[in-house]
Amino acid sequence: KQEVTQIPAALSVPEGENLVLNCSFTDSAIYNLQWFRQDPGKGLTSLLLIQSSQREQTSGRLNASLDKSSGRSTLYIAASQPGDSATYLCAVKGSNYQLIWGAGTKLIIKP
Amino acid sequence: GAGVSQSPSNKVTEKGKDVELRCDPISGHTALYWYRQRLGQGLEFLIYFQGNSAPDKSGLPSDRFSAERTGESVSTLTIQRTQQEDSAVYLCASSLGGEGFTNEKLFFGSGTQLSVL
Repeated sequence: KQEVTQIPAALSVPEGENLVLNCSFTDSAIYNLQWFRQDPGKGLTSLLLIQSSQREQTSGRLNASLDKSSGRSTLYIAASQPGDSATYLCAVKGSNYQLIWGAGTKLIIKP
Repeated sequence: GAGVSQSPSNKVTEKGKDVELRCDPISGHTALYWYRQRLGQGLEFLIYFQGNSAPDKSGLPSDRFSAERTGESVSTLTIQRTQQEDSAVYLCASSLGGEGFTNEKLFFGSGTQLSVL
């Protein structure tokens, strides 16, 4: 059974710092891995989707990597801003169509 | 519409009452998912609709939960005889395709915050 873990559960850093969020999964047989952002009172926004054949995806200040063999993905945020404060969730899509979700990392960027 | 729309955004109900939650997916999206998110926890899959195929109800936690979808449009999630443990945010998401479409993005609504007193 696929399990997805995100550590740490919460992270607070000063504005301007680069940071890394971690996501690990137990079953390497995945189709893709997605990173989402969730703001309070709002739904989830898809940030990056990495297909199983890819190693990384980039969008602006965000870079997500995928290492299937070790069951790990990282989300790198460069030059963090207060507007980056949110909960970041990762989800993997396995042999069925379902997404298995981590519990998220709550990120606070201090001005 | 431009995005996935859910209503109501907030619902407070008394234990034992029935509630109905609504989701309007993005036009043209054949796949629709319902998730539940308890405070501080990850998303819990409830049910999945793909086009006109029979829905996958494997995530529904009890027979008090049911969902319907009219064609490829609106979906309603109904919870009968609500219990306090049903309190959560209920999220709806849609995508262009489901099974067989392995690399499409999900688009989420803002969710319905359900509080059962």
